[in-house]
Amino acid sequence: DAKTTQPPSMDCAEGRAANLPCNHSTISGNEYVYWYRQIHSQGPQYIIHGLKNNETNEMASLIITEDRKSSTLILPHATLRDTAVYYCIGAHNAGNMLTFGGGTRLMVKP
Amino acid sequence: NAGVTQTPKFQVLKTGQSMTLQCAQDMNHNSMYWYRQDPGMGLRLIYYSASEGTTDKGEVPNGYNVSRLNKREFSLRLESAAPSQTSVYFCASSESHREKLFFGSGTQLSVL
Repeated sequence: DAKTTQPPSMDCAEGRAANLPCNHSTISGNEYVYWYRQIHSQGPQYIIHGLKNNETNEMASLIITEDRKSSTLILPHATLRDTAVYYCIGAHNAGNMLTFGGGTRLMVKP
Repeated sequence: NAGVTQTPKFQVLKTGQSMTLQCAQDMNHNSMYWYRQDPGMGLRLIYYSASEGTTDKGEVPNGYNVSRLNKREFSLRLESAAPSQTSVYFCASSESHREKLFFGSGTQLSVL
């Protein structure tokens, strides 16, 4: 797995965009960038993943730099329910997701 | 659909006792996984099964055994529980080894 680095915590105002960065400078050419989030002590929830191109789905957008050394998860209009720990993982596939690291604890405030 | 179901939700064991954590999925997924999450930490992969009939070690397999009973069920066994195994255990499944994970709600295990 690629080693990823994320800020331990971030705050965001409700209704504003939340931009969560992830550094994965050691990612290899065929490793995907996956994002999951964990609300309270529930099981993690898949958000989005990508290889080279930017991706968007109903939950978020994923922006990957051209050199693939970093990425940003964007929640376009954060709500209080988006308060969670967000994990960025670099892996070839699900079986290589050995570790969900510390992640970023996002606090969305009214 | 229930998704991924784990039983029990809570369990307290004494050191040396054994137990089996059960996991079942109803999404017809091929791959299944067991993770543990220690307090305030991220998740670590214990074992996974890429397809029915196969199992592989993850990052922290020592002290655990697994059985892929059939396509739906993947169990995790602690033969002789130790306090270091106090953790929350999550089961997950995916359509294939290359697809996103769906997680269960977890089993909180305390070993005294």
